[in-house]
Amino acid sequence: EVVLTQSPGTLSLSPGERATLSCRASQSVTTNYLAWYQQKPGQAPRLLISGASSRATGIPDRFSGSGSGTDFTLTISRLEPEDFAVYFCQQYGRSGPWTFGQGTKVEIK
Amino acid sequence: EVHLVESGGILIQPGRSLRLSCAASGFTFVDYAMHWVRQPPGEGLEWVSGISWNSGNIAYADSVKGRFTISRDNARNSLYLQMNSLRADDAAFYYCVKDSGDYGDFGGPFDYWGLGTLVTVSS
Repeated sequence: EVVLTQSPGTLSLSPGERATLSCRASQSVTTNYLAWYQQKPGQAPRLLISGASSRATGIPDRFSGSGSGTDFTLTISRLEPEDFAVYFCQQYGRSGPWTFGQGTKVEIK
Repeated sequence: EVHLVESGGILIQPGRSLRLSCAASGFTFVDYAMHWVRQPPGEGLEWVSGISWNSGNIAYADSVKGRFTISRDNARNSLYLQMNSLRADDAAFYYCVKDSGDYGDFGGPFDYWGLGTLVTVSS
């Protein structure tokens, strides 16, 4: 099972600032099958990024993903008020188990 | 527009059984694998189980193997999760989730999620 470790646990930033979130895997993620999700209070997670770097439909270009192997990053170039939320990384593929990181909370400073 | 609507979550005693349902619309249900993912209130996400388009490929998390059974009815565009021998640590929001993989099998990111149904396990 691939264990995903996200850091930091909480990121305190102001609107307009850049956010950099990390996701580290315990072993290499197959074909960079790494996704990022955003979750706001009381809502279901929303897919942001798949394949480590491909934005999902309708996701603004201030969100970008990078990385390969065991180290991945989600960057939000300029935080908008609606971006303050919890972000999860996930490894996916043709067989389970599918695993998630524990999440990074991006909060208003 | 894709809609996934879960139902069946209640307050239930440890050791009892419960069946969750998910009604899908807005896409060709038979063309996609589906999953259940759970989240205890205020905590992280845990994948529970997945099922391919024709139920030929089924997977479970170790934490639920032997107690939970996933199934689907393509004629009714519905996904189910039969939960037996419930424990306190099964308490969570349960999300019905669509796999975006090709050919009805696993392999894609989880592109659509329902709003979840809350299962509370307590005596």
